[in-house]
Amino acid sequence: DVKVTQSSRYLVKRTGEKVFLECVQDMDHENMFWYRQDPGLGLRLIYFSYDVKMKEKGDIPEGYSVSREKKERFSLILESASTNQTSMYLCASSLRAGGPEAFFGQGTRLTVV
Amino acid sequence: QQQVKQSPQSLIVQKGGISIINCAYENTAFDYFPWYQQFPGKGPALLIAIRPDVSEKKEGRFTISFNKSAKQFSLHIMDSQPGDSATYFCAASKRTGSARQLTFGSGTQLTVLP
Repeated sequence: DVKVTQSSRYLVKRTGEKVFLECVQDMDHENMFWYRQDPGLGLRLIYFSYDVKMKEKGDIPEGYSVSREKKERFSLILESASTNQTSMYLCASSLRAGGPEAFFGQGTRLTVV
Repeated sequence: QQQVKQSPQSLIVQKGGISIINCAYENTAFDYFPWYQQFPGKGPALLIAIRPDVSEKKEGRFTISFNKSAKQFSLHIMDSQPGDSATYFCAASKRTGSARQLTFGSGTQLTVLP
């Protein structure tokens, strides 16, 4: 069973703080993704990575950065958190050579106050 | 600009009824169309998927209908059950460099009344 684990279910941070969201997958997947989920907007891709140290911008990368130092771990960084980054953040992984299915973590509900 | 448009935003169906959710896309580079199901407190999970060379795919009570010329696809849930109450996302996938990228619709909150 594929497992994608996000380090926190709930986070509350102050405006201007640097925030790290961590994601680990245990199935040796090459691809990893960060999405944010907002009501009425669905899931929007922030960044993805297809290999260690490789990253690509998604549809809404502004205000975010990512880090992938190891294959199993993909971190999302909010350099200076703002209230409009309050959201549900979802990490996903997939096989490069496999089908297009993505496996999701349970999400991190981030509130920026 | 939403690349995958999904409707309705919410849907209430009686137990035993048919639930229908519709999606439309513009980009012809999409070549795989999955549906994800999300229960509260959980991440989305793949429910069923179709490739554009097939017009229909059925798995149990779930059927995807695909109209390539209209660039539309839909999910039908037959004999809907209260346990089907969840948020459903259509998605479209395309290859982007070395990865496959999923673009999601806005989601449909389905409630099946007992």
